[in-house]
Amino acid sequence: DTAVSQTPKYLVTQMGNDKSIKCEQNLGHDTMYWYKQDSKKFLKIMFSYNNKELIINETVPNRFSPKSPDKAHLNLHINSLELGDSAVYFCASSQSGSKGDTQYFGPGTRLTVL
Amino acid sequence: GQQLNQSPQSMFIQEGEDVSMNCTSSSIFNTWLWYKQDPGEGPVLLIALYKAGELTSNGRLTAQFGITRKDSFLNISASIPSDVGIYFCAGRRGAGNMLTFGGGTRLMVKP
Repeated sequence: DTAVSQTPKYLVTQMGNDKSIKCEQNLGHDTMYWYKQDSKKFLKIMFSYNNKELIINETVPNRFSPKSPDKAHLNLHINSLELGDSAVYFCASSQSGSKGDTQYFGPGTRLTVL
Repeated sequence: GQQLNQSPQSMFIQEGEDVSMNCTSSSIFNTWLWYKQDPGEGPVLLIALYKAGELTSNGRLTAQFGITRKDSFLNISASIPSDVGIYFCAGRRGAGNMLTFGGGTRLMVKP
């Protein structure tokens, strides 16, 4: 069974469009994350939600808006896409607690903005 | 934000060789994690370290939490072709679950 799943796996779109990426986890975790991995493979946290509440919001343009309808889902909506948004976006989840650092990653969504 | 310095950036080795990579920081971390990313996939956790000085193994992989809490090491013994991938260190400084990732070590193994 897939633990953390993301859709779509690939997304190619034009500059200026609005798009969404969906993430679901079936691990029963209470915390979910969005990461951006650039072409040099640097992984950078974007957002973190705990029990549907935003707890981390790194310096990300407000064109990016995460939404967590429930603990098992964290979607990422991006408005007015720009060339620099091209990257691989990873969703992850973990269970908060003393050893809640074990984050499980989804397979990634490769976004290409033309 | 805080960056972890991971080295080497890439390694090209012969099958059967041992591999070492490390991660350093100017700040103290309370947790160190090592992940592996295969092409087209998300990072997968290999080893988690929670205590300074801790040495933990997972098969042919061994990782250590540095005594100073500012570094960590990952060793792979007797490498095989499926070890190919990008290895990331990640650290957590304090309360909360925010991880900081190193820049990755790209490992290539020649059969």
